[in-house]
Amino acid sequence: KAGVTQTPRYLIKTRGQQVTLSCSPISGHRSVSWYQQTPGQGLQFLFEYFSETQRNKGNFPGRFSGRQFSNSRSEMNVSTLELGDSALYLCASSLGGAGLNIQYFGAGTRLSVL
Amino acid sequence: QKEVEQNSGPLSVPEGAIASLNCTYSDRGSQSFFWYRQYSGKSPELIMSIYSNGDKEDGRFTAQLNKASQYVSLLIRDSQPSDSATYLCAVLKGGNNRKLIWGLGTSLAVNP
Repeated sequence: KAGVTQTPRYLIKTRGQQVTLSCSPISGHRSVSWYQQTPGQGLQFLFEYFSETQRNKGNFPGRFSGRQFSNSRSEMNVSTLELGDSALYLCASSLGGAGLNIQYFGAGTRLSVL
Repeated sequence: QKEVEQNSGPLSVPEGAIASLNCTYSDRGSQSFFWYRQYSGKSPELIMSIYSNGDKEDGRFTAQLNKASQYVSLLIRDSQPSDSATYLCAVLKGGNNRKLIWGLGTSLAVNP
């Protein structure tokens, strides 16, 4: 069974640009959660999608948005990039709602904003 | 006060010793508790989940939960150099907005 797939693995962008990250969950998993990880802040919850609906949201500005498609694949978009957005972005999938089931992580997308 | 707190470490133990990792949380309504391991440059992977007070053992790993004192711990017996990693504690908050809250992690170094 394939694991969680995130693309791309690495990205370099400049301030002001926008970026879209993709996550394909484990087959059969309907929940996708997104996290930002930085050395100083640890894992910060961005949002969770379940059955194409955003079910939970963390404390990030509106520049961070996401969506989920009918096949459970999810995308995350960051507009007007800032230097502080440089981080590892992790996607995690689970069978049901986040936390109700075990979360399985993808390898992550490392974003560098110059 | 952070919602989930862990000592950042590094915690250094000799090979073969018991490593003890601790995590405290603030939400008394928390229901589920998870320990993840994250190697440098890799993504987190689940080690243990625990839902009830007491101990839960899986191989060399034992998770301990005390809801009255609001702490959860992870013991690693016969520590190996391959156990050297950052260990993340995650807590599922109760209530309507159920989401996982993560600690910053404890760095463990097992010395041969």
